[in-house]
Amino acid sequence: RKEVEQDPGPFNVPEGATVAFNCTYSNSASQSFFWYRQDCRKEPKLLMSVYSSGNEDGRFTAQLNRASQYISLLIRDSKLSDSATYLCGAGSYQLTFGKGTKLSVIP
Amino acid sequence: NAGVTQTPKFRVLKTGQSMTLLCAQDMNHEYMYWYRQDPGMGLRLIHYSVGEGTTAKGEVPDGYNVSRLKKQNFLLGLESAAPSQTSVYFCASSLSGGVSTDTQYFGPGTRLTVL
Repeated sequence: RKEVEQDPGPFNVPEGATVAFNCTYSNSASQSFFWYRQDCRKEPKLLMSVYSSGNEDGRFTAQLNRASQYISLLIRDSKLSDSATYLCGAGSYQLTFGKGTKLSVIP
Repeated sequence: NAGVTQTPKFRVLKTGQSMTLLCAQDMNHEYMYWYRQDPGMGLRLIHYSVGEGTTAKGEVPDGYNVSRLKKQNFLLGLESAAPSQTSVYFCASSLSGGVSTDTQYFGPGTRLTVL
């Protein structure tokens, strides 16, 4: 079983929709959690760090549930430019990444 | 700041050839990492370094060697390339690591094909 698992996707949503991604991690000692965005044939770029209390950045909200060992990403009012693959990372000392979830926002 | 840069961007090798991928960062980061990304497999850690002169194995280290002679550079070597090493290779760096690993910043990647 992979240490970090994500919804496989793809998610095809209309502009303006709200979409949520979940990511589960198996290493209970994990201390660091991140969401990265990766555009086609590009490098992953940090979208958000995920804090225990949850955090928000504009249309993006990240949550951490340590008891159930998952992190989530909520995107509100989806834009065409949000189309990308979203990777979650979790770990302690090293990060393990999920395989990514592809999001396509449709006009 | 250029951030994290990788050389070369593309490379085609024949089975058995060797090559070195260069990663450079200008952010004075202590930690550096090499990942490979394959379709359906996600990012997998090959080797990493916690500081100048140190290296350690990651999840998939076989067939690769690394060196960190200077803080800003992290080299990934393939001594005898195999078709299974066809992949996109990403280098990353972070200011610090440890239990609470810091944000990792990625380079643009090297697309390697082994024939």
